[in-house]
Amino acid sequence: DAGVIQSPRHEVTEMGQEVTLRCKPISGHDYLFWYRQTMMRGLELLIYFNNNVPIDDSGMPEDRFSAKMPNASFSTLKIQPSEPRDSAVYFCASSPEGSWALDEQYFGPGTRLTVT
Amino acid sequence: AQTVTQSQPEMSVQEAETVTLSCTYDTSESNYYLFWYKQPPSRQMILVIRQEAYKQQNATENRFSVNFQKAAKSFSLKISDSQLGDTAMYFCAFIQEGGSEKLVFGKGTKLTVNP
Repeated sequence: DAGVIQSPRHEVTEMGQEVTLRCKPISGHDYLFWYRQTMMRGLELLIYFNNNVPIDDSGMPEDRFSAKMPNASFSTLKIQPSEPRDSAVYFCASSPEGSWALDEQYFGPGTRLTVT
Repeated sequence: AQTVTQSQPEMSVQEAETVTLSCTYDTSESNYYLFWYKQPPSRQMILVIRQEAYKQQNATENRFSVNFQKAAKSFSLKISDSQLGDTAMYFCAFIQEGGSEKLVFGKGTKLTVNP
């Protein structure tokens, strides 16, 4: 298996522009998670999906952030408009079932976003 | 709410030596899982070791082992025979069994293995 795939690996954009991050989970995994990592706040869960349905988006910082999962093999995280404080590494992870089970969450390589 | 604290922002160790990374957590639950993740410069998050709270025996994976003290809510990671490839950020994480699927992470410890 190729693991969780994220694109792009690096994204540099100007303030005010729309940014779309993409994720392909491991086939057969029912859960998908979006995380943001910064030096100040560490790793934060933004939102997660179960069977393509958003379950908890309480970690989404504000309305500028939105996430979708149109099918079991694809998810997007969109920021519109982007701001310099959104600069971070964004991780996507997937899990075959509730991650409290013996299976753990499998992380993608991350997308480094820089907003100037 | 559950919290995870890693009190050592940075640590260093000589190659072949042993190092211990600290982690404490706060929860009122009795059933949960604890993890150590490694994040090398490539940024990929890699699971190092996992511990189920109901197991008294400390988990081990090759050169990696944990000291799990449930009463003290402590979960330290010991790396034996440190190798240059162990240089990375290490994150301690917690998840409650049967509850939200949210992993709660500490802020990480940056470990540098020196030749």
